[in-house]
Amino acid sequence: NAGVTQTPKFQVLKTGQSMTLQCAQDMNHNSMYWYRQDPGMGLRLIYYSASEGTTDKGEVPNGYNVSRLNKREFSLRLESAAPSQTSVYFCASSLLGEIWGRDQPQHFGDGTRLSIL
Amino acid sequence: QKEVEQNSGPLSVPEGAIASLNCTYSDRGSQSFFWYRQYSGKSPELIMFIYSNGDKEDGRFTAQLNKASQYVSLLIRDSQPSDSATYLCAVRTGGFKTIFGAGTRLFVKA
Repeated sequence: NAGVTQTPKFQVLKTGQSMTLQCAQDMNHNSMYWYRQDPGMGLRLIYYSASEGTTDKGEVPNGYNVSRLNKREFSLRLESAAPSQTSVYFCASSLLGEIWGRDQPQHFGDGTRLSIL
Repeated sequence: QKEVEQNSGPLSVPEGAIASLNCTYSDRGSQSFFWYRQYSGKSPELIMFIYSNGDKEDGRFTAQLNKASQYVSLLIRDSQPSDSATYLCAVRTGGFKTIFGAGTRLFVKA
């Protein structure tokens, strides 16, 4: 079982370059998330998609865009990379809304380690 | 005030002892609470989830929730060196967001 698959696993960019991080899940989850993790900061939500066709900003959306391509895929785009976006990026998915007040946990991909020079 | 707060640690306990990890949250409308474990260089993996006040036990792990005090904790009994990791508290707030704490680093000394 693949679960949540992220590509690429590692990437080095120069300031100003653009790139798209890909994420796909095969668990039939309705909700998907993008987080970044910096030392001592925990996981910070960038964008999320509660269901296919919807996307919403999280805590730190500036400098990023997302696309919920279909139920399986949720991509994160950096239009003009900056050194402050050097981080580890995690994609996650979950099943929301089945039972009110009893949300299912999120399942995480292995992460993308992104360095911007 | 951060929405989800954890003591960053490190918390150091001897092998075989009980490790107690604590988390407080600010949104009284929060309904679902999760504990994840993250080894260095790896992705978070689910340890426990809890929805109702009280205790929930799963093997060596016990999650405790007190909604009145806005407090959730994780107890690890008979701690092992393999439990050494960062433990993340996550809280589903009144909206669709799940907010993570910064994590507590746990070291279990052999």
